[in-house]
Amino acid sequence: QLQLQESGPGLVKSSETLSLTCTVSDGSININPYYWAWIRQAPGKGLEWIGTISYDARTYYNPSLRSRVIMSADTSKKQFSLRLSSVTAADTAVYYCARHPGSASEFDYWGQGTLVTVSS
Amino acid sequence: QSALTQPPSASGSPGQSVTISCTGTSSDVGVYNYVSWYQQHPGKAPKLIIYEVSQRPSGVPDRFSGSKSGNTASLTVSGLQAEDEADYYCTSYAGRTTYVFGTGTKVTVL
Repeated sequence: QLQLQESGPGLVKSSETLSLTCTVSDGSININPYYWAWIRQAPGKGLEWIGTISYDARTYYNPSLRSRVIMSADTSKKQFSLRLSSVTAADTAVYYCARHPGSASEFDYWGQGTLVTVSS
Repeated sequence: QSALTQPPSASGSPGQSVTISCTGTSSDVGVYNYVSWYQQHPGKAPKLIIYEVSQRPSGVPDRFSGSKSGNTASLTVSGLQAEDEADYYCTSYAGRTTYVFGTGTKVTVL
């Protein structure tokens, strides 16, 4: 059973960079056709797609966040990562990593999520 | 890329049916059959319940069904049960490997 687990600091200061890692167990992240995504949910709000990295490390970002987001992958560690720069209180959210089994497809496996709070 | 529009809330008595709409545009829902639906209980990660408009993953009860007409997709929960009380989100592929989520609907079982 595929499992995803987010990790990283739970508190980030305003204007700094948020960094999170998702570790995938029971599966490799460089297998075609799997894609790997970050999705967030602000407290009491809806879900927002942040970006996706493909099995061959191509990246795709939400246009509203593109200028601040970088995603990368370390296939040897079965990990992919998110960096979000110049954070503000509006970036406080639960951050989820997820898999989608194709470039256009649904998110079929999710991590449990990790809360990141941006402090001033 | 604007969020897909869902009603904030929906409700029904046990055994009844509830239908949730998800309205997008001709750039997402209207043009792609890659609409999926997620159920989220408080404090939990979302769970996939419908993909490709109307397909159910293994293990999801057939009480959950999906459809699409034009720019609007719909999720119907038939035979409502207490455990169906949750938030529901739609999402659509929007081209060039981008996605847009719905605003979310809170379903209450009366």
